[in-house]
Amino acid sequence: DAGITQSPRYKITETGRQVTLMCHQTWSHSYMFWYRQDLGHGLRLIYYSAAADITDKGEVPDGYVVSRSKTENFPLTLESATRSQTSVYFCASTGGGYNEQFFGPGTRLTVL
Amino acid sequence: GQQLNQSPQSMFIQEGEDVSMNCTSSSIFNTWLWYKQEPGEGPVLLIALYKAGELTSNGRLTAQFGITRKDSFLNISASIPSDVGIYFCAGQSPHIIFGKGTRLHILP
Repeated sequence: DAGITQSPRYKITETGRQVTLMCHQTWSHSYMFWYRQDLGHGLRLIYYSAAADITDKGEVPDGYVVSRSKTENFPLTLESATRSQTSVYFCASTGGGYNEQFFGPGTRLTVL
Repeated sequence: GQQLNQSPQSMFIQEGEDVSMNCTSSSIFNTWLWYKQEPGEGPVLLIALYKAGELTSNGRLTAQFGITRKDSFLNISASIPSDVGIYFCAGQSPHIIFGKGTRLHILP
């Protein structure tokens, strides 16, 4: 299906485990983004990527790792999950820079 | 760092009423965006504003980019039940910063 998809939609893990959240878009958009959404904080940018093999930190990058070997995929890895990383994670993409981002449906992650 | 102050945090209105919400900042933004988020979904772009003073409509929605480039408002006219959700403002300069959202409730 065309669009932007995220998997899994729900994930429960334990403190210290590695978790990877997947994001895939079919528009060949150059820019992709990862946000986390928490009550009282709105959406906060974790990492973004301007193109394949180009990534940069956002507002809250600590504890996260990203890669972008292919234009259509932008996985987000929590190398050693902590309870403070319990959140809803949204991936977004845009073809024209930062404006008019299209968001995926989100992944709800719980770290026990 | 840059912050957006979005108000009100929540609104309870009767169906058919008009709605107004706004965002202010101490920083200047090049672009203002308004998104709507429904439960279990990602935000969806409603209106994008690119120039100071710009007033843009999208159906019953109207948004304006403040002259000072530090604020924006969103109005919804004649609200209907499907308007329920969380509305986010976002300012871009250069990264996008999101407000904390206005949760809109519509009373039957």
